[in-house]
Amino acid sequence: QKEVEQNSGPLSVPEGAIASLNCTYSDRGSQSFFWYRQYSGKSPELIMFIYSNGDKEDGRFTAQLNKASQYVSLLIRDSQPSDSATYLCAVPMLRDNYGQNFVFGPGTRLSVLP
Amino acid sequence: DAGITQSPRYKITETGRQVTLMCHQTWSHSYMFWYRQDLGHGLRLIYYSAAADITDKGEVPDGYVVSRSKTENFPLTLESATRSQTSVYFCASSESGGNQPQNFGDGTRLSIL
Repeated sequence: QKEVEQNSGPLSVPEGAIASLNCTYSDRGSQSFFWYRQYSGKSPELIMFIYSNGDKEDGRFTAQLNKASQYVSLLIRDSQPSDSATYLCAVPMLRDNYGQNFVFGPGTRLSVLP
Repeated sequence: DAGITQSPRYKITETGRQVTLMCHQTWSHSYMFWYRQDLGHGLRLIYYSAAADITDKGEVPDGYVVSRSKTENFPLTLESATRSQTSVYFCASSESGGNQPQNFGDGTRLSIL
């Protein structure tokens, strides 16, 4: 079972719409969740992160946690063509062999159509 | 400027050669990480370091060696490069491990012929 899963996409939305990206995780004890944006050929860039105590809004971005169903969502309001990128979800997990470190999902490719 | 820098940005080498990728950060972060990113596998942790002289294996450490004699530097060495190590390598750092955000360098695109 993969530990952090994302729909690989591409997810296509029209400009101005809300883009909804989901990430499911296997470790019920996970306490923090990170969203990164990665443009093609570039490095991952932190967008936002939340802890298990609540959702978070930052400008056009909102991260929401559903602990019962073990998924975290990233909503992008008023999507712009510049939002077109791959979005990576990362969840710190404790591994027997190498401590607690980030486990990254495969990423969802978002395409915002003008 | 403060940040995390990787060098070289691009590298082509041959199988069996030794190659070292450099990573330098100016934030004085305690933790540093090396990842590789491959199609179909996403980002995978190779090695990490909690402080100077403390390093630990990640998910895919075989064929790699790291050292951390100074807090700001965390070089990654491929002792005898293989084609399967062709990848994009990212260095990252964070103030502490676990639940703290990681900041990534620009990456090194490594091709092994």
